[in-house]
Amino acid sequence: QKEVEQNSGPLSVPEGAIASLNCTYSDRGSQSFFWYRQYSGKSPELIMFIYSNGDKEDGRFTAQLNKASQYVSLLIRDSQPSDSATYLCAVNAGFGNQFYFGTGTSLTVIP
Amino acid sequence: DVKVTQSSRYLVKRTGEKVFLECVQDMDHENMFWYRQDPGLGLRLIYFSYDVKMKEKGDIPEGYSVSREKKERFSLILESASTNQTSMYLCASLWPERNTIYFGEGSWLTVV
Repeated sequence: QKEVEQNSGPLSVPEGAIASLNCTYSDRGSQSFFWYRQYSGKSPELIMFIYSNGDKEDGRFTAQLNKASQYVSLLIRDSQPSDSATYLCAVNAGFGNQFYFGTGTSLTVIP
Repeated sequence: DVKVTQSSRYLVKRTGEKVFLECVQDMDHENMFWYRQDPGLGLRLIYFSYDVKMKEKGDIPEGYSVSREKKERFSLILESASTNQTSMYLCASLWPERNTIYFGEGSWLTVV
């Protein structure tokens, strides 16, 4: 069983602050890492993916990967109330391109 | 954009009924997946398919089967629905160029 661990939260940040979401994974052979956002009652939507160690920035979002520590994070700068959602970390590993998901971190951005 | 369509959004079925959940993608993708999502348990893989008529069990296949007769369509079957199968079911398709999966809108199943 390949495991992906996230703090379930809830995480609350004021509007305009930086939200930091963390994820660890168990399979050292994992190559691809993803962050999905899921609004209540909706399906997950892809925010970012990262393959290489280091940082990857896309607008207000920055994904960070450290394969040696088996750690992935997502930073959301200038958080907005519309960022309030559950954020799912996912890892691609195994036969058939299986994706393994964490249980998600609930984020609330307070206006 | 990738379009993954789950035709049944909300279903209520009785215990013991046979249930079909249909999923269609329009991008000629080979890999498709069925997950269920429950509070506190996250997304769990039920079955996946990497080609027509090819299927593999995921982490929780018990009580489920799948069918992939055509590349664009991947069906999840509950042979005899039980109350513990009440859940949100998510179909996904893999976009190989991006090595990323995209989800359908989800099917909410209640078994009474």
